[in-house]
Amino acid sequence: DVVLTQSPLSLPVTVGQPASISCRSSQSLAHSDGNTRLGWIQQRPGQSPRRLIYDGSKRDSGVPDRFSGSGSGTDFTLKISKVETEDVGLYYCMQYKHWPHTFGQGTKLEIK
Amino acid sequence: EVQLVESGGGLAQPGGSLRLSCAGSEVTFSNSWMSWVRQAPGKGLEWVAHIKPDGSEQFYVDSVRGRVTISRDNAKQSLFLQMNSLRAEDTAVYYCVSWGTVAFWGQGTLVAVSS
Repeated sequence: DVVLTQSPLSLPVTVGQPASISCRSSQSLAHSDGNTRLGWIQQRPGQSPRRLIYDGSKRDSGVPDRFSGSGSGTDFTLKISKVETEDVGLYYCMQYKHWPHTFGQGTKLEIK
Repeated sequence: EVQLVESGGGLAQPGGSLRLSCAGSEVTFSNSWMSWVRQAPGKGLEWVAHIKPDGSEQFYVDSVRGRVTISRDNAKQSLFLQMNSLRAEDTAVYYCVSWGTVAFWGQGTLVAVSS
């Protein structure tokens, strides 16, 4: 199975400051169609997960533009340009190129 | 509002069965791959099963293969997960997810397996 390794696992951030989460895959997630089969999921406390980013860098509808995804092959990053209090929660990367699709172990973002 | 609504969770004994259902809408089902993703208490997310838009192909994680069947009824915008031979480690919140250029998640239904 493809292993996704996230870092850091805990991310204390001051409101208004940037934040960055890394996701490293044990196999390439590049697809022959030119897209990357990597997404980012946000789960706020007590809520269902929601997808923020798909195909490596495409933002889902309604996702603020302070969220951005980048990377290729096996190394990916989720960046939040200026953290807001509503960004508190867990963030997971996920891959959907290889079955079984898998998630990273999650990064907990908290406000300092 | 577009949404997915799961039902069918509850308490089951080890070795027992449960059938989860997910009701959606044309927007959430049309031409969408659908999945069941679960989250054990205090744990991360795990993809359980995945089904093509036309239902012709299904995929399962090894830990449930042979015990679980995913199916869909596109005419009724419904997704199902038949779970047999339940184990304690199947205890989790099960989310129904629709994947496309927009992804939709349900609110989840809790499955608890215990004697």
